[in-house]
Amino acid sequence: AQSVTQLDSHVSVSEGTPVLLRCNYSSSYSPSLFWYVQHPNKGLQLLLKYTSAATLVKGINGFEAEFKKSETSFHLTKPSAHMSDAAEYFCVVSKMDSSYKLIFGSGTRLLVRP
Amino acid sequence: NAGVTQTPKFQVLKTGQSMTLQCAQDMNHEYMSWYRQDPGMGLRLIHYSVGAGITDQGEVPNGYNVSRSTTEDFPLRLLSAAPSQTSVYFCASSYSRAGGWYEQYFGPGTRLTVT
Repeated sequence: AQSVTQLDSHVSVSEGTPVLLRCNYSSSYSPSLFWYVQHPNKGLQLLLKYTSAATLVKGINGFEAEFKKSETSFHLTKPSAHMSDAAEYFCVVSKMDSSYKLIFGSGTRLLVRP
Repeated sequence: NAGVTQTPKFQVLKTGQSMTLQCAQDMNHEYMSWYRQDPGMGLRLIHYSVGAGITDQGEVPNGYNVSRSTTEDFPLRLLSAAPSQTSVYFCASSYSRAGGWYEQYFGPGTRLTVT
């Protein structure tokens, strides 16, 4: 069965410093993995996706994630945080059957201090 | 393209009332789904559809009905609202290519309160 674990419920960084949001996954076969972002009272926006083409995935707004099979991780990073990055981030794995169910992690709230 | 649209944005119901949450997409996506979001629980799949006339249950289907008469629309019906259905509801759509489904696009959500 697939699952994702987001290791931090809250992460606080200063503006201009690096961001690291951690995600471990469990899957019995090669997964499709996503990071979504949700700003307050908004819908979910896709940041990036891994679908086995390349292990280092670049997304929007300067975010990237690296798929590490040996560590079963898919951590999200950004070199320099902006105030506008403050939001909730979800690591997601897709269930590759007819339901195409997305299995969400519990979320990491990113706080950016001025 | 408007993408995925949902109406209403906010709704307050009394216990036992019925209502329909509307979802539409203009991207000709075959796949559509409904999720609910509750604090600390991420999003959970309620129902999904892989094409017009085809629907199936997700993880938490009890208390909800769906139908898919067109590719564009996927309404979610609450037949008899309960306080446990207080949540934020998201509709999403996706498309297939080369035998797989691609990323899901989400609507802006409907915030439902049942008193």
